[in-house]
Order: sequence, then C-alpha cells, then structure tokens
Amino acid sequence: NAGVMQNPRHLVRRRGQEARLRCSPMKGHSHVYWYRQLPEEGLKFMVYLQKENIIDESGMPKERFSAEFPKEGPSILRIQQVVRGDSAAYFCASSPPVEGRSDGYTFGSGTRLTVV
Amino acid sequence: AQSVTQPDIHITVSEGASLELRCNYSYGATPYLFWYVQSPGQGLQLLLKYFSGDTLVQGIKGFEAEFKRSQSSFNLRKPSVHWSDAAEYFCAVAPSGGYQKVTFGTGTKLQVIP
Repeated sequence: NAGVMQNPRHLVRRRGQEARLRCSPMKGHSHVYWYRQLPEEGLKFMVYLQKENIIDESGMPKERFSAEFPKEGPSILRIQQVVRGDSAAYFCASSPPVEGRSDGYTFGSGTRLTVV
Repeated sequence: AQSVTQPDIHITVSEGASLELRCNYSYGATPYLFWYVQSPGQGLQLLLKYFSGDTLVQGIKGFEAEFKRSQSSFNLRKPSVHWSDAAEYFCAVAPSGGYQKVTFGTGTKLQVIP
C-alpha cells in the first residue's frame, strides 16, 4: 500500500542540462498535482494532470517546463535547460477521482533539485 | 481567487505549553480547509481538514482547528506541545466543488524549546 512515490529524492544538474522528475501516484489515484517549494517559501501550484490530460497548467512557467501523465507509467515533470533559479523542492501529490469534493492530497517526499 | 494568509512566520513555544497557529483565508464561498505539517526534508502530511458541519475539527497528533466563518479563519491548536511537533505548518484552501486545486499559505515554522 505504497504512498506517492517520487524519484529521485535528490537531483543535481549543471546549468543547461535537463531535469526529469518522476511521480507515481497512490494506487487508485488518477489525479496528479505538481508543486514547487522555493527556499523559505510555501508551496506554489504548477500543474494538475489526469491520465493523458493536462487540466490546469496555470502555474507552469511558459518556457522550459513541461509535464505529462501518460496512460501507463509515472507522471513526469521535465525542466529543460535548467538555471540556478530552478533549484527548489518539487512535490507531487495525488488524489482519487472524487468529483465535487477535495479530500486533501497525499504528498510524496519530494525531489530536491540543485542546479550548479 | 482564493488565498491563504499565515501571519506568523516563526513561533517558539515551550514544551508542554499550548499552541495556536493562525490562518486566514480569502474565498467567495465556504471553502474546504486543511492543515498540513512538514518535517525538515520531508513531504507534507495532512493533519486535519474541514468540509462542512461541526466547526471544530479534530486531527491527528492531538491537533484541532476551528473554522470561524465571520473571521475567515481556521486556526490550528494543540493544548500541550511536544518536542516532536517542531516542524513547519501549512494552512491550505480549496474550492468547495469541482476542481480540486489547493492553495497553500507560506507556512509557520514552529520551534519547541525545553
């Protein structure tokens, strides 16, 4: 009965490289949310996905960032050509497909991205 | 748009003392409200949630929160703090229907001293 699994836990990238962050939701959960936590700040919403659909990407930077949640496999948050300002903790959360009520998310332990 | 304000960035309390963390929200209707706790280097754990009904909500680890519509507040309380409660606490709000996007406050860091 695993929770939300994120990997890697820590990721170091040089400026200009690509970062790929993975998130496997809880069993039975079909909604995935990505949040970013910058040092000394709260969590900022990035994107909300369901299987094969991006529902809300209003928090995603317009360039270099993309997310997907394929029919099979984990959700992927991809950051191309990383810059120092991308250094942050990236959290994934999942929830079941309950319409009309938010049961609260189950969070993963996060991926801490460091850009050097 | 919904928003959450946690006016206290840091709070220090003595072990055994009572605790109250403040949270105010802005939303057009009655939202769903949550408190999460984050230990250093960890993800967020749900402490409690309010959807409707009784305005005093009991959560895990001895925490409770009270929804006050007139004050747009959802303050978190604990009668006696333990050293293990030292962490960062986030208040969050979500719309009461449909899409489940959750908006978080900036957090309150709790320090517990002997």
